[in-house]
Amino acid sequence: DGGITQSPKYLFRKEGQNVTLSCEQNLNHDAMYWYRQDPGQGLRLIYYSQIVNDFQKGDIAEGYSVSREKKESFPLTVTSAQKNPTAFYLCASSIFGTSGSRSFGAGTRLSVL
Amino acid sequence: AQTVTQSQPEMSVQEAETVTLSCTYDTSESDYYLFWYKQPPSRQMILVIRQEAYKQQNATENRFSVNFQKAAKSFSLKISDSQLGDAAMYFCALGGGADGLTFGKGTHLIIQP
Repeated sequence: DGGITQSPKYLFRKEGQNVTLSCEQNLNHDAMYWYRQDPGQGLRLIYYSQIVNDFQKGDIAEGYSVSREKKESFPLTVTSAQKNPTAFYLCASSIFGTSGSRSFGAGTRLSVL
Repeated sequence: AQTVTQSQPEMSVQEAETVTLSCTYDTSESDYYLFWYKQPPSRQMILVIRQEAYKQQNATENRFSVNFQKAAKSFSLKISDSQLGDAAMYFCALGGGADGLTFGKGTHLIIQP
């Protein structure tokens, strides 16, 4: 079955540590996205990528970094510069240039130890 | 900047009744799309319905329909014959192309048996 796989489901970060969240899709989608969800909030865009080796900052990119070396993969690194990383992180993908419907992964819950 | 406002943090409806969730938005784009996503307790984001701004006809998907008022920048979701499985957070979202979507803060829908 085609879909988006996020791993791990739960992740814990120690002070000063960088952690990487994985996102893999086998939908042959061109565009991929990372969103952050806090309690009582909607989803906020962190980074997005429309093609391999290219990505753009979203609304809350500070303290995060991404790479897009393969079409299928779009990992997100939460760096030590992100002072409040505890949140639910969702990865999504879409076919470039279509109506914009997004397919979402199941999410990763990141907590600080 | 695009904005999406959901003014109802929580709504409650009796099973088998009809409920309407409100959403207003603002954008300077002439070509855009609007979406309603459902997020059940599993936190998986599920697309409920999509509306292209250039289409005057309101979108319908089984028990779900929208009332799209382009001039008023309003996009409400009507759920008919509410079922227990409809209980979830509902997010209104605005976007288009391959850029990230802008989400509202969500409405928590409770279904009373």
